[in-house]
Amino acid sequence: NAGVTQTPKFQVLKTGQSMTLQCAQDMNHNSMYWYRQDPGMGLRLIYYSASEGTTDKGEVPNGYNVSRLNKREFSLRLESAAPSQTSVYFCASSGGQLGLGGGYTFGSGTRLTVV
Amino acid sequence: AQSVAQPEDQVNVAEGNPLTVKCTYSVSGNPYLFWYVQYPNRGLQFLLKYITGDNLVKGSYGFEAEFNKSQTSFHLKKPSALVSDSALYFCAVRDSTDSNYQLIWGAGTKLIIKP
Repeated sequence: NAGVTQTPKFQVLKTGQSMTLQCAQDMNHNSMYWYRQDPGMGLRLIYYSASEGTTDKGEVPNGYNVSRLNKREFSLRLESAAPSQTSVYFCASSGGQLGLGGGYTFGSGTRLTVV
Repeated sequence: AQSVAQPEDQVNVAEGNPLTVKCTYSVSGNPYLFWYVQYPNRGLQFLLKYITGDNLVKGSYGFEAEFNKSQTSFHLKKPSALVSDSALYFCAVRDSTDSNYQLIWGAGTKLIIKP
């Protein structure tokens, strides 16, 4: 089925370890996003990519890096994980002008625990 | 600064009764408004949006929302609730003057429909 695919679904890291969250979309969308979701705080934007070859910081970029590998793929990297990065991470994509068209399409999320 | 408020953490409704989930916003320019739904352990799904035009917007699963400019509100409504509507609902806004095209998200409202 068409949509946004995130891997892995679950991950436990030790403090200081690194990892990359993968995201791919097959809807030919230009824009892609990484959010984190914490209880009572809604969604907070970490990074976004308006189009292939561009990336920009969102609301909470510290401790993260991203790569827009091609039009389909947008990865999120934690270089040195901290317990404060324990969260559920969502990747999303949108066509048109950054979401004004049919809205955002979200992946199913990655539940990350840093111990 | 842009902001979105969902004043109720939780809304409880009996099945068959009408439901309302509240959302108010603050933007500098014109608002672009969205509602999303999140079922347990799933990503967010687009429900409906208001960009311009008719103040009453109809969306998926029988939901609708009314844009009220004077009250800066965009409340989500459904005439007759179903148990399957139980989920987490998010309101989001984008300011038409925001060159970064970012969506600002509310903290979410948990909707519980009781049989």
